[in-house]
Amino acid sequence: RKEVEQDPGPFNVPEGATVAFNCTYSNSASQSFFWYRQDCRKEPKLLMSVYSSGNEDGRFTAQLNRASQYISLLIRDSKLSDSATYLCVVNKKDTGRRALTFGSGTRLQVQP
Amino acid sequence: DAGVIQSPRHEVTEMGQEVTLRCKPISGHDYLFWYRQTMMRGLELLIYFNNNVPIDDSGMPEDRFSAKMPNASFSTLKIQPSEPRDSAVYFCASSPSGGRGAGTDTQYFGPGTRLTVL
Repeated sequence: RKEVEQDPGPFNVPEGATVAFNCTYSNSASQSFFWYRQDCRKEPKLLMSVYSSGNEDGRFTAQLNRASQYISLLIRDSKLSDSATYLCVVNKKDTGRRALTFGSGTRLQVQP
Repeated sequence: DAGVIQSPRHEVTEMGQEVTLRCKPISGHDYLFWYRQTMMRGLELLIYFNNNVPIDDSGMPEDRFSAKMPNASFSTLKIQPSEPRDSAVYFCASSPSGGRGAGTDTQYFGPGTRLTVL
């Protein structure tokens, strides 16, 4: 079983739509959770951290369910510029908080 | 401010040749990470350093791979000899030290080196 699992997509949505991505992780001891964004042929960039109580940054909302080992990302009012691959990230098993494990990513295509 | 700098951006080499990838982390960052990304395996952590000391190299695929960090502003990832299956994008990332705040977990990636081994 992969340490971090994501639906690869692609998710094809119209502009203005709301879209949600889910992610599950296998290590119950994981302490840090993030969503990174990667544009085609570019490097990953931090989109947002995910806190236990859930957090929001503009149109983006992240949720964490430790009991189910599940992380979600909700994007409201999708823009064309949101088209990218979204990577779910957790800290790696047994190697401390600094080593991160990346999911394989969910591709989003927002269409006009 | 300059971000993480990697060179070369593209490298094409023949099987059996030595390849050296270079990285300059963001000034003041104490952590440096090397990743490899392929379509099949996604983004994999190869090794990371803290204050120039290797902390976890469990992701290094085999002895053909080696990484060094001789000082706080420079690291290399070397593949010798290279094989076609090493073809991938290699990313370097750096991260600041500090407390347990989320900001200190953020990793800043360089633009990557696209390696093709023929």
